Amino acid sequence: AQSVSQHNHHVILSEAASLELGCNYSYGGTVNLFWYVQYPGQHLQLLLKYFSGDPLVKGIKGFEAEFIKSKFSFNLRKPSVQWSDTAEYFCAVKGDYKLSFGAGTTVTVRA
Amino acid sequence: SAVISQKPSRDICQRGTSLTIQCQVDSQVTMMFWYRQQPGQSLTLIATANQGSEATYESGFVIDKFPISRPNLTFSTLTVSNMSPEDSSIYLCSVALAGTEQFFGPGTRLTVL
Repeated sequence: AQSVSQHNHHVILSEAASLELGCNYSYGGTVNLFWYVQYPGQHLQLLLKYFSGDPLVKGIKGFEAEFIKSKFSFNLRKPSVQWSDTAEYFCAVKGDYKLSFGAGTTVTVRA
Repeated sequence: SAVISQKPSRDICQRGTSLTIQCQVDSQVTMMFWYRQQPGQSLTLIATANQGSEATYESGFVIDKFPISRPNLTFSTLTVSNMSPEDSSIYLCSVALAGTEQFFGPGTRLTVL
């Protein structure tokens, strides 16, 4: 069975601060990895994805994530956050047929 | 990408009743899924809606409680039967494109009194 663990439940930042959200997964085989974002009042949107190739993937709105296979990790980063980055962030993994989600991290960016 | 709509967007229901949630996609898709997001928790897969056959349910979810229909490649329904307050959640429809990438609908926020 596959599982996903997100390290932070709630992160509070000031604008222009750097953001890093930790994500670790458990699965013995090949995986596809995702970060989804849910802005207040909106539905889930795909932020970025990793299928294969370069382990450093870039997504929308200046986000990037690095897949480190040896650590079973897929951490999300953004060098300088904006107030509009306030949202819920979900890491997800697809190893077998289904997409499994982490518990989510609430990010609050203070102006 | 896929544009997914759900009806209703929210509802308040009495315990013991049932609610059917509709999911419509703007293109034909092979894989459709139903998820539940309980308050303050992550998304949990309820079942995979298969066109032309019965849905495939995850552990902890049964057809009697969550019957699913998938009459064609663009539409599915999820019914939450004999509701209790513990069923209060957001229910989301999702579709997979290109084999792995999934898109999500806006969700149906259900409150059971």
